[in-house]
Amino acid sequence: GAGVSQSPRYKVAKRGQDVALRCDPISGHVSLFWYQQALGQGPEFLTYFQNEAQLDKSGLPSDRFFAERPEGSVSTLKIQRTQQEDSAVYLCASSLLGLAGNEQFFGPGTRLTVL
Amino acid sequence: KQEVTQIPAALSVPEGENLVLNCSFTDSAIYNLQWFRQDPGKGLTSLLLIQSSQREQTSGRLNASLDKSSGRSTLYIAASQPGDSATYLCAVRTLIQGAQKLVFGQGTRLTINP
Repeated sequence: GAGVSQSPRYKVAKRGQDVALRCDPISGHVSLFWYQQALGQGPEFLTYFQNEAQLDKSGLPSDRFFAERPEGSVSTLKIQRTQQEDSAVYLCASSLLGLAGNEQFFGPGTRLTVL
Repeated sequence: KQEVTQIPAALSVPEGENLVLNCSFTDSAIYNLQWFRQDPGKGLTSLLLIQSSQREQTSGRLNASLDKSSGRSTLYIAASQPGDSATYLCAVRTLIQGAQKLVFGQGTRLTINP
């Protein structure tokens, strides 16, 4: 596609529910990143994939957060037993190669609200 | 641990003025620094990417400078327009602490008044 797409754009969940957020990176992009952006804050890194390999998950806030990219393209971020503090915008980004100098291109984000 | 700070947190100026947004970072060992724009409810749009070996980048009315030794970057916007109103974020990619991730500042919320 022309850019990074994410779905759904908005998600409302009741506390304790599981949610799954989808990211479609730019076609052919090797690297994929997830970030969490709380209201009024800058994005914070969650996890990074190179192809299907999850090379860095140091930013995942708890074991309730799980990300996968089984075929090296589409990625899913899953949050189990959602809590109110999980409310945020979840941003996905991709870059062409697995090189540190490569630019990251961001999707529009998924706004998660946990009631 | 890399920390990025942006000053001011919010800025409101009349249309036509030139302005400067500031970004500072604590660890000078970086691959690059990137400036983004974020409109309400939208994702991030990359404005300028400065590699660690560069001192500035220009795109249209935007000019970004990088002083790695002092841990500072500025984004200069010339002849501001109401359409420039948005939140501006800077982010660095650090050599040591997980080289592939970006570390962001909290952003400067810019309002250009007609």
